[in-house]
Amino acid sequence: DVKVTQSSRYLVKRTGEKVFLECVQDMDHENMFWYRQDPGLGLRLIYFSYDVKMKEKGDIPEGYSVSREKKERFSLILESASTNQTSMYLCASSNGLEYNEQFFGPGTRLTVL
Amino acid sequence: GQNIDQPTEMTATEGAIVQINCTYQTSGFNGLFWYQQHAGEAPTFLSYNVLDGLEEKGRFSSFLSRSKGYSYLLLKELQMKDSASYLCAVRDSNYQLIWGAGTKLIIKP
Repeated sequence: DVKVTQSSRYLVKRTGEKVFLECVQDMDHENMFWYRQDPGLGLRLIYFSYDVKMKEKGDIPEGYSVSREKKERFSLILESASTNQTSMYLCASSNGLEYNEQFFGPGTRLTVL
Repeated sequence: GQNIDQPTEMTATEGAIVQINCTYQTSGFNGLFWYQQHAGEAPTFLSYNVLDGLEEKGRFSSFLSRSKGYSYLLLKELQMKDSASYLCAVRDSNYQLIWGAGTKLIIKP
């Protein structure tokens, strides 16, 4: 079974702090994604990556950056956390392009005070 | 703009059948996905449709009409464990997934 793990289930940070969210997948998937999920809204894509050291902006990249130094690891960075970044963050991975069922991690619920 | 519409919440009775609808307007179409998400957990894949028609998988079936921009997820013989949110997502011409807000399904005994 594909396993996607995220570094924390719950995280509380203060405004202005730098926040790192890490995601690791163990199935050698090329594609990795970071989403945020907020009540009443669909999943919104922040960044994605199709290969090591490659990154593409999603729909809402402002205030975020990412790093993919190794194929299995995709990190999301909040350079200076703000209260409007309080959300559930979901990492996903998939293989190939034609039929890219995405496998999700358990999510990190981030609260910014 | 791109848009996926699903009902916000539905209620059904254990043992019954429920149909969750999804309508979409996207830039191109390269398949439609249904995911299940229990509260506090990760979404998990349920079904994929790229051609018109019905795909059946056990108690769950998914239907697609590309000309109408419409899909539904049919759940039969409902069980309490089916209480969850059901997410509809469409892959657009850029192979990006556009997600609906999800339908929260409440199953009552």
